[in-house]
Amino acid sequence: GQSLEQPSEVTAVEGAIVQINCTYQTSGFYGLSWYQQHDGGAPTFLSYNALDGLEETGRFSSFLSRSDSYGYLLLQELQMKDSASYFCAVNLQAGTALIFGKGTTLSVSS
Amino acid sequence: DGGITQSPKYLFRKEGQNVTLSCEQNLNHDAMYWYRQDPGQGLRLIYYSQIVNDFQKGDIAEGYSVSREKKESFPLTVTSAQKNPTAFYLCASSFDSYEQYFGPGTRLTVT
Repeated sequence: GQSLEQPSEVTAVEGAIVQINCTYQTSGFYGLSWYQQHDGGAPTFLSYNALDGLEETGRFSSFLSRSDSYGYLLLQELQMKDSASYFCAVNLQAGTALIFGKGTTLSVSS
Repeated sequence: DGGITQSPKYLFRKEGQNVTLSCEQNLNHDAMYWYRQDPGQGLRLIYYSQIVNDFQKGDIAEGYSVSREKKESFPLTVTSAQKNPTAFYLCASSFDSYEQYFGPGTRLTVT
């Protein structure tokens, strides 16, 4: 079977840095995506890693280590609006559907 | 404006009735997907389609059916055979499967 593990909840204060980890055990691996979902809303794409290393997009960065079957999403300079659920998702093969983790709820307080 | 739409936003049905959820996109994407989300859970794949007139079952296809007669449209029917149909249903589309664009979702309640 396929499994993705990520913490269920993370809390932080405004201005802080938080890291959300994702470990995966899947039958194939093409890349790791991250999505953000605000309560009651639609998920939105944040980033994608197909190769090892760090990808930076503004305040958000994502890291992948294929040898460790591990990735993380790093959120810097946290803002209240970053309070949301964050999902990692594995792409088993190019052109196939994603397998999503159960999500991490991030709560940012002032 | 390009995007993906789902209707209705809220849907209420009696047990035993089939119901069809609409999903339309004007992004010219080949691939479309249906996911189910239960409270506190991740997204679970129901069906996906990579091209018109072709679709594949996801992890939880039992009790659901789809069609893909047009590139823009991928309706999902929740049949009476689905044992726990009450959920939040999300439709998505993509060029590349790793970057999916989601619709606003349909919250289905079956009583």
